[in-house]
Amino acid sequence: GAGVSQSPSNKVTEKGKDVELRCDPISGHTALYWYRQSLGQGLEFLIYFQGNSAPDKSGLPSDRFSAERTGGSVSTLTIQRTQQEDSAVYLCASSLAGGGSTEAFFGQGTRLTVV
Amino acid sequence: ELKVEQNPLFLSMQEGKNYTIYCNYSTTSDRLYWYRQDPGKSLESLFVLLSNGAVKQEGRLMASLDTKARLSTLHITAAVHDLSATYFCAVDRSSVYTGNQFYFGTGTSLTVIP
Repeated sequence: GAGVSQSPSNKVTEKGKDVELRCDPISGHTALYWYRQSLGQGLEFLIYFQGNSAPDKSGLPSDRFSAERTGGSVSTLTIQRTQQEDSAVYLCASSLAGGGSTEAFFGQGTRLTVV
Repeated sequence: ELKVEQNPLFLSMQEGKNYTIYCNYSTTSDRLYWYRQDPGKSLESLFVLLSNGAVKQEGRLMASLDTKARLSTLHITAAVHDLSATYFCAVDRSSVYTGNQFYFGTGTSLTVIP
């Protein structure tokens, strides 16, 4: 596609439910990132994929969070047993490579609201 | 940990006026990025500054980078309403574990008043 695509755009879920957020990066981009944007917290790095591999998962906020990437393309961020503090905008970005001065392109984000 | 600070956090200015947004960061970085975010929208890349002394201009916006002072500025000239948005600066740090991880400033919410 022309840009990074995320779905859904908005998600309202009940506390305790699981949610799955999807990111379609720009075709050919090997690096993929997930960030979280919360009120009062700014933009927080969650995880990086180079191809299908995430070298370091320590940025994920808790063990309720998991992420995977398949085929070097689509990535999903899963939040289990959602809590109200998970409410935020989840942004995905992709770039041609995972290092150097490679510009990252961001998707429109998924606004998650846990009620 | 690398920290990025922006000021001001909120800026209300009249059309036609000039103003500067400041971005300070805590450790050495040769690359500085500026993004714009409209309400409910994603981050739009404005400038990528790759070396000390870099200056880039696009329309009424001009960004500069002083890596020795660890400071970048985004200067707005003769503001117009269309520039109302939130502006973020970011620096990156590369590692095999986090790729090209971005560290973002807190953002500056700009409102241009007619």
